[in-house]
Order: sequence, then structure tokens, then C-alpha cells
Amino acid sequence: DAGVIQSPRHEVTEMGQEVTLRCKPISGHDYLFWYRQTMMRGLELLIYFNNNVPIDDSGMPEDRFSAKMPNASFSTLKIQPSEPRDSAVYFCASSPRGRVQKTQYFGPGTRLLVL
Amino acid sequence: GIQVEQSPPDLILQEGANSTLRCNFSDSVNNLQWFHQNPWGQLINLFYIPSGTKQNGRLSATTVATERYSLLYISSSQTTDSGVYFCAVVYLGSQGNLIFGKGTKLSVKP
Repeated sequence: DAGVIQSPRHEVTEMGQEVTLRCKPISGHDYLFWYRQTMMRGLELLIYFNNNVPIDDSGMPEDRFSAKMPNASFSTLKIQPSEPRDSAVYFCASSPRGRVQKTQYFGPGTRLLVL
Repeated sequence: GIQVEQSPPDLILQEGANSTLRCNFSDSVNNLQWFHQNPWGQLINLFYIPSGTKQNGRLSATTVATERYSLLYISSSQTTDSGVYFCAVVYLGSQGNLIFGKGTKLSVKP
């Protein structure tokens, strides 16, 4: 299995621009999570999906952030407009079907820098 | 919300030494994972261990759920063990998102 795939791996953009991060979960996994890692706040959950349906988006910082999962093999996290404080590493993770309390597998992350 | 505290925050070892990393959590959990974040930023699963003991090579982990702590043992450390070790939990009653500790930064010197 290829594991969780994220793209791009690195993104540099200017303040105000739209940024789209992409994730392909492990085939057969029903849960998909988006996390963000910063020096100040560590690793924190932004949103997660079960069977393509958003379950908890309470971690999404503000309306500039949106996430979609149009099918079982693809999810996007969009920031519009981006701000310098959005600079962070964004991780996608997936977990097998059944009880959600199973191992979560993380992708390599997207390192975002907003200038 | 649940608190996850890891200790020590930093650890420097000579190659070949053993170490124990600790994770305390403030509420009952039904998922606990240990991760290694390598110098390139990749989060690597080490253990899924909500209770009991597991071993994988030079690494082993023990979780005592009733006392709300978990330990990660690294034996005969190697320079490639360097990085940050995170403990993360899903607390009982949660729908599944991992709550991470702040990590232990390990540096293994040759």
C-alpha cells in the first residue's frame, strides 16, 4: 500500500492567495483527518470525515478554511484568502473502517509558507 | 478537555544508552498511539497501545490505562532514533480525534 498521499509537499504563496491542499487516504479506510502542526500550538485536529461526511469541524480556525471529501479516495483543504499565520505543516491521516479508535496513519504532510 | 503531558521535554543520549519516555493523560482513553517524528517531519507510527505491553525490536511500550500513563522504552539507542516522540490519545466519549502531547525531543549522539 502506498500509504496516505499528500500534495503538494511544499507550498509557498503570498498573503491573500488561495491555497488548496490534497489528500488521498489509504484504500479502504473510512476515516480521514486533517491536522495542523505549528511551533506554538503543536499538533491539532482541524476536521475529520467518516464515509466522506464531515463529523467534527470544530478545529477549523475560521471561515477562511474549508474542507471537502467528494469521494472515498480524495479530500481537499482550502484556505482562502491565506494569511502568514496559516504557515504550518498540514497533515492528513486515515483510519480503517469500524471503530474510529484504531490506528491513524499519517501522510508526509504539506509544508505551507505564506509570505 | 483531556490533558496529555509528556516528559522529559528534551533528552540527550549517547549512542547505545537506554531511555524511558513518559506520557500522562488526565482522562480515560480508548486509543493511545506513540509516534516518532523524524528530522524530515514524517510522523511514523510506533505503537497503537490503549492498554498492555507491546514490543517492536529495540522499542517497547506499556500503557497502564487505570493509572493513566504510558511509557515508551528505547534500548540501545542509535543516532537514527533522534527526533521528536509524540504520545496521542483519543479520550473515552470522543469521536476519534487524536489529542497530542507536546512531545519529547530526543537527540542521540554518536
